[in-house]
Amino acid sequence: NAGVTQTPKFQVLKTGQSMTLQCAQDMNHNSMYWYRQDPGMGLRLIYYSASEGTTDKGEVPNGYNVSRLNKREFSLRLESAAPSQTSVYFCASTLAPGGNQPQHFGDGTRLSIL
Amino acid sequence: QQQVKQSPQSLIVQKGGIPIINCAYENTAFDYFPWYQQFPGKGPALLIAIRPDVSEKKEGRFTISFNKSAKQFSLHIMDSQPGDSATYFCAASKDYKLSFGAGTTVTVRA
Repeated sequence: NAGVTQTPKFQVLKTGQSMTLQCAQDMNHNSMYWYRQDPGMGLRLIYYSASEGTTDKGEVPNGYNVSRLNKREFSLRLESAAPSQTSVYFCASTLAPGGNQPQHFGDGTRLSIL
Repeated sequence: QQQVKQSPQSLIVQKGGIPIINCAYENTAFDYFPWYQQFPGKGPALLIAIRPDVSEKKEGRFTISFNKSAKQFSLHIMDSQPGDSATYFCAASKDYKLSFGAGTTVTVRA
């Protein structure tokens, strides 16, 4: 039982390059989330998808786009990477929409932008 | 700015000690307060959660204390063990969103 799988685990990009971070869950969850984690900042919500076919902005959406490809998959795209986007990115899922649902996290993608 | 303020940033205790992590919030619309535990190289995992109509909740060696009037809540780890060494995040929920504190790195020395 894999839970939430994120790929790649590590990536180094140059400023201006584009990249898509992949996330897939096998728990039949309806809602999915993308966070970034920075030292001293905790986790900040970038985008979320309450259900298949819907996406909404979170706290820090600028510079990112998302696609809810199907119920299992939720991708995060950086169109033109900037050094400020160097971070650890986490995908999470919940059975139903709502912050009061336990969030199941992947192990993260560590992204460095030079 | 962060909607949930967490302190301390780090703490070290001896095995058997009781690390205490404190969190404070301003938005009274928050209606669910979970704690997440994160080990190095892993994603956070839900540890324990409380609703604002409850003043205390215990699960094993982990206890949440909640003070609604002060808008504060805290995590106590009773009889701490080296395996409890991790980063702990408090959070608060409103609608679909979780707002996380900055995290506390707890080190339990054997």
